[in-house]
Amino acid sequence: DADVTQTPRNRITKTGKRIMLECSQTKGHDRMYWYRQDPGLGLRLIYYSFDVKDINKGEISDGYSVSRQAQAKFSLSLESAIPNQTALYFCATSDLGVGQTTGELFFGEGSRLTVL
Amino acid sequence: GDSVTQMEGPVTLSEEAFLTINCTYTATGYPSLFWYVQYPGEGLQLLLKATKADDKGSNKGFEATYRKETTSFHLEKGSVQVSDSAVYFCALSDPLSGTYKYIFGTGTRLKVLA
Repeated sequence: DADVTQTPRNRITKTGKRIMLECSQTKGHDRMYWYRQDPGLGLRLIYYSFDVKDINKGEISDGYSVSRQAQAKFSLSLESAIPNQTALYFCATSDLGVGQTTGELFFGEGSRLTVL
Repeated sequence: GDSVTQMEGPVTLSEEAFLTINCTYTATGYPSLFWYVQYPGEGLQLLLKATKADDKGSNKGFEATYRKETTSFHLEKGSVQVSDSAVYFCALSDPLSGTYKYIFGTGTRLKVLA
């Protein structure tokens, strides 16, 4: 089984619908991230969380919300989906610990969302 | 703010050719630098990293040297294989920014022909 699991892997929805993308991890990491990937734009950070009580906006948080239900679970919600939110979404965890200055990101396999 | 700029693709090479993918960065502090690779249908995975100036990261025949004077971290491989076809992302993490965020470039698609 993958260390970072995203569900669903593919989703097609309509404008205005509420969508939740879920991420769970078995790596025991405190830090979790949601990124969006678009062709030609690379990966852009939506939200990140350093522990259950710490949620931070990234560079493109408008239109999105998150919930950190537990250390292992970090969900991304689109309250009212719109077509320009069509993208590939990645959840990631980091092994960066307290007092450390560098760490590695571990990615899930991605959730492809299409908003019609 | 911090940023990463990498060469646009796609890059198409014949098998056994030499590969260079350029990456430059801007950062307020002393970032750690990374190359991630994304194979078709998969998430990103770490290819190599360097944490301080003049460090050389290497893995699977790929290497990159942290050049502080030119703010660069170019990816190289002496002889590419068809299995190297993927999208390559340069990234940085600047702990002195206080946020421990990872900033990615736009990605460079590599296609290797047999």
